Amino acid sequence: KAGVTQTPRYLIKTRGQQVTLSCSPISGHRSVSWYQQTPGQGLQFLFEYFSETQRNKGNFPGRFSGRQFSNSRSEMNVSTLELGDSALYLCASSLASGSISGANVLTFGAGSRLTVL
Amino acid sequence: TQLLEQSPQFLSIQEGENLTVYCNSSSVFSSLQWYRQEPGEGPVLLVTVVTGGEVKKLKRLTFQFGDARKDSSLHITAAQPGDTGLYLCAGGPMDSNYQLIWGAGTKLIIKP
Repeated sequence: KAGVTQTPRYLIKTRGQQVTLSCSPISGHRSVSWYQQTPGQGLQFLFEYFSETQRNKGNFPGRFSGRQFSNSRSEMNVSTLELGDSALYLCASSLASGSISGANVLTFGAGSRLTVL
Repeated sequence: TQLLEQSPQFLSIQEGENLTVYCNSSSVFSSLQWYRQEPGEGPVLLVTVVTGGEVKKLKRLTFQFGDARKDSSLHITAAQPGDTGLYLCAGGPMDSNYQLIWGAGTKLIIKP
């Protein structure tokens, strides 16, 4: 079955612009989580959506937002881009919401690499 | 605040050597996962351990969950260049309403 698809893979923006990233989860997966990854910082949790509802949110400013559609596809938006927003943005899908149990596994996409100039 | 500390942050060794990567916390986790991420890709799950003291083997990789479920280790025997990548550990909080806690990762380079 198809994996998690993220688009675009690479993009370059300038400060002050906004960006929208897309994530198509594995068919049947209702949970989509977004992470920001920067060198040395590991994965920073942005938010999680389950059945079109935001279930959890990390400690990011309001410039970072997201949504999930009825087909489980998700988008995240970053407004008023700053240089520090340059990062790899990863999307992961899973069957269930919340923390990991032995049965709930995160499958990641390849990410969208954002460069802010 | 729950934290997972990984060590070392960076490791570069020759092919054929053995190595161990550690993931430590002062908090108890319901489970712990290890992922490997290669350049240009997202993390891929290697293993999930859920029982204190549990040991799982995946070919040359051995994963252990501490008895108190606060720490874990990944041991690679006879490392190969294909093992190169970023290794991430992630702990499942006892409260299932909270998200995974991630370590910062260990960047491993195996030189031929």
